[in-house]
Amino acid sequence: ETGVTQSPTHLIKTRGQQVTLRCSSQSGHNTVSWYQQALGQGPQFIFQYYREEENGRGNFPPRFSGLQFPNYSSELNVNALELDDSALYLCASSFSTGTGTYEQYFGPGTRLTVT
Amino acid sequence: QKEVEQNSGPLSVPEGAIASLNCTYSDRVSQSFFWYRQYSGKSPELIMSIYSNGDKEDGRFTAQLNKASQYVSLLIRDSQPSDSATYLCAVRGGGFKTIFGAGTRLFVKA
Repeated sequence: ETGVTQSPTHLIKTRGQQVTLRCSSQSGHNTVSWYQQALGQGPQFIFQYYREEENGRGNFPPRFSGLQFPNYSSELNVNALELDDSALYLCASSFSTGTGTYEQYFGPGTRLTVT
Repeated sequence: QKEVEQNSGPLSVPEGAIASLNCTYSDRVSQSFFWYRQYSGKSPELIMSIYSNGDKEDGRFTAQLNKASQYVSLLIRDSQPSDSATYLCAVRGGGFKTIFGAGTRLFVKA
């Protein structure tokens, strides 16, 4: 177990709805990254939060947004859900300095199904 | 060209053999390299990290990095059926973005 927790475990939403996923980072870590993993693919980087600010973003549209809180936990929000958003959403916790990020440890993931 | 490429497999090896997993990457400024293991229906689990050229050993696992060839590999010695999983190669450049390959499925036959 990595100490990274995510909620909920599973979620079913309808196209057009909005969803919020939550992540608590491992003790001693200050950075949270979010990934989307479609079936049979590797995780795709969505964005990373460090010191409550987004400091890196992948090729995802603005309807994917996030927050990091003072306790380093984080939320991923997805608006206007599309069928292709159905995937496993992974949160990864790590420690960062101003110049780099060390090893990332994944939470169990949230399985999102959009119908 | 994909940023991080792996053979999708499946790679099948007998129990007790050495499994060799390979990964190539396109960004020459990449600095950090990771191998994750992912069992079906589970999240990725970090196995190894490697930052400089050469070999790094941890138990039955050895990671090898050759930055000139933009190549990183993972060797699993004395493979066990419990090693059957998808192995993900991940590469991070100078920033904070980590790119994953699609993974190689490994099957260890008892």
